[in-house]
Amino acid sequence: AQSVTQLGSHVSVSEGALVLLRCNYSSSVPPYLFWYVQYPNQGLQLLLKYTTGATLVKGINGFEAEFKKSETSFHLTKPSAHMSDAAEYFCAVSSSYNTDKLIFGTGTRLQVFP
Amino acid sequence: GAVVSQHPSWVICKSGTSVKIECRSLDFQATTMFWYRQFPKQSLMLMATSNEGSKATYEQGVEKDKFLINHASLTLSTLTVTSAHPEDSSFYICSANRGNSPLHFGNGTRLTVT
Repeated sequence: AQSVTQLGSHVSVSEGALVLLRCNYSSSVPPYLFWYVQYPNQGLQLLLKYTTGATLVKGINGFEAEFKKSETSFHLTKPSAHMSDAAEYFCAVSSSYNTDKLIFGTGTRLQVFP
Repeated sequence: GAVVSQHPSWVICKSGTSVKIECRSLDFQATTMFWYRQFPKQSLMLMATSNEGSKATYEQGVEKDKFLINHASLTLSTLTVTSAHPEDSSFYICSANRGNSPLHFGNGTRLTVT
C-alpha cells in the first residue's frame, strides 16, 4: 500500500522568501513521486517528478524537490517565492509497477504576501 | 497547450437528474483514463479507471450504478452522475496517460446539485 502525508495544510511566505512544502510518503515498492499545482477551479499541472536516477529533481517555475529515501521524503522548494506561486500544491505517489494510479496527499495551500 | 479537455467546466442541475461529463484526450489515444473527485479543500480521490472497450474499474466505496463510466473510443471517456443529489456536488477531474509521460489532467468540472 502507498500513502502520502503533506505536513501543513497552509503555508504562508513573503514574496522573495524561501518556499518549503513538505511531503512524506510510504511505499512498499520503489515509488515514483510527483508534485502538482492546482489553481482555483482548474485541473492539476505537473511541476516535477522523480522516477529513478538523480535524487534532486528540477521542475517548472523554479521549483525543485529532493528524493530522500532514508527519510521517505520528497519536499518541494523554491528559493524565492513569487506572487504567482500562490496555489494549492499536491504531492503524489505511484509505484513503478503501476505508474498510472496516483495516490495524492491532502494538499498544501501556499499564500504569498507582498 | 492542453492535452486533456474536460467539458463542461461547470454545471448546475436539479436533484434527481443525471449529468454527463466528457473527458477527451487531444492529439493522442488514451486506452486508460482516470476519474477523480475532489471535495472542497480536500485532496483528489480516485473514483475509477476507465478502460477503452471494457468495463471501468471502480475504487472501493464508489457506486458503479451511480457513477456510470463509458470509454467508447480511444479519445473519449464519459462520466454520468445518475440521479444526482446535493451530496454529489463536487469537483470532478479526469486524467489520461500520454505514453510514458505522467498523467495529464483536465481542468475539472464543478458540479452543483440543487
